[in-house]
Amino acid sequence: QSVLTQPPSVSAAFGQKVTISCSGGRSNIGNNFVSWYQHVPGTAPKLLIYDNNKRPSGIPDRFSGSKSGTSATLGITGLQPGDEADYYCATWDSSVSAHVVFGGGTKLTV
Amino acid sequence: EVQLVESGGGLIQPGGSLKISCAVSGFRVSNTYMSWVRQAPGKGLEWVSVIYAEGNTLYADSVRGRFTISRDKTKNMVSLEMKNLRAEDTARYFCARERCNVGTCYQENWGQGTLVTVSS
Repeated sequence: QSVLTQPPSVSAAFGQKVTISCSGGRSNIGNNFVSWYQHVPGTAPKLLIYDNNKRPSGIPDRFSGSKSGTSATLGITGLQPGDEADYYCATWDSSVSAHVVFGGGTKLTV
Repeated sequence: EVQLVESGGGLIQPGGSLKISCAVSGFRVSNTYMSWVRQAPGKGLEWVSVIYAEGNTLYADSVRGRFTISRDKTKNMVSLEMKNLRAEDTARYFCARERCNVGTCYQENWGQGTLVTVSS
């Protein structure tokens, strides 16, 4: 069972918008920054968002991140078939010995 | 161009040992944090271990005492030596370049992973 809670799956139509939630606690999301990753099985995971809402070079602005209290949200607009993937949130957790904790992952179907 | 290429995975019997490696190009492993993250079949991502630029190491509770992370500065590689392997260690193992600052750690670059299967 993951320390961070994500919905197992979400779906939305081509061109539409979707949000993926990530819920944690004070020892992780509440006091630290959140990152988001896209993973297409069989490929290398990709960093989409770091420090709650920053995008690495090359990540389109269709992807956005936000945080409020002990929850974080990933938003994707203008959905494309290539966005079908598993999405993970992650953060540092000061209450456990794990250096970084990941959410359980959310499967996005477009 | 940044590249991380894992190798060394395979089929190993329970109780056995295996060493997997990650060859890095585009940056120096000695100047950054490097971590291992794994994904068991049908499961999500799980952080396994990290080696700091200073050489300090950390491990997840599930592998502490059995796994050892190390780096070879001359070969620009990071390795994970795994001993007393269990069926639950079966996973694809990814190496990643990690960026950390106050209150934040994230995996900036990832390899495609190497598959470790523990089975008799």
